[in-house]
Amino acid sequence: DAKTTQPTSMDCAEGRAANLPCNHSTISGNEYVYWYRQIHSQGPQYIIHGLKNNETNEMASLIITEDRKSSTLILPHATLRDTAVYYCIGGTYSGNTPLVFGKGTRLSVIA
Amino acid sequence: DTGVSQNPRHKITKRGQNVTFRCDPISEHNRLYWYRQTLGQGPEFLTYFQNEAQLEKSRLLSDRFSAERPKGSFSTLEIQRTEQGDSAMYLCASSADRSQHGYTFGSGTRLTVV
Repeated sequence: DAKTTQPTSMDCAEGRAANLPCNHSTISGNEYVYWYRQIHSQGPQYIIHGLKNNETNEMASLIITEDRKSSTLILPHATLRDTAVYYCIGGTYSGNTPLVFGKGTRLSVIA
Repeated sequence: DTGVSQNPRHKITKRGQNVTFRCDPISEHNRLYWYRQTLGQGPEFLTYFQNEAQLEKSRLLSDRFSAERPKGSFSTLEIQRTEQGDSAMYLCASSADRSQHGYTFGSGTRLTVV
């Protein structure tokens, strides 16, 4: 699995967009970028994934650079409930290789 | 479907005792994963099943750990002769092949070895 690098922590004001960066310079051509988040005392929750095109769903948007060496997860209007640890992971779509989690970014949304 | 269910939610055991955790995945998911998480760290992969076959085990999974998934439905994770270093949150996740929704995790079982 591709090794990813994320900032340890970030703050965001409530109602503003939260932009969480991730570097994955060693990602291979068939590896997707997955984002999960973990709210305190709960299991991780899937957010979004993408290969090379930008993706959007009801939770977030994922912007992947053209060279696929980095990506940004965007929460358009952060709320207090978005306070969590966010994990960026490189992995194959088939599911044959289990996802490897790093330490993630601790996002604190501030009122 | 109520998602991935793990039991018990909490377990306190004395060092040297055996413990067993259960995971009930989403019924149509054929893949099941076990992870362990300690404070301040991301989840660490332990093992995974495709249907009833255990396809991969991490080097973290010592011979005191064993996992089963009979009939490809629920799974159990047993730890024999527990040690204080086994204290952690044990997470179970399930997924379908080429899922558009990634893994679905349970709420975990928190193990405390005293």
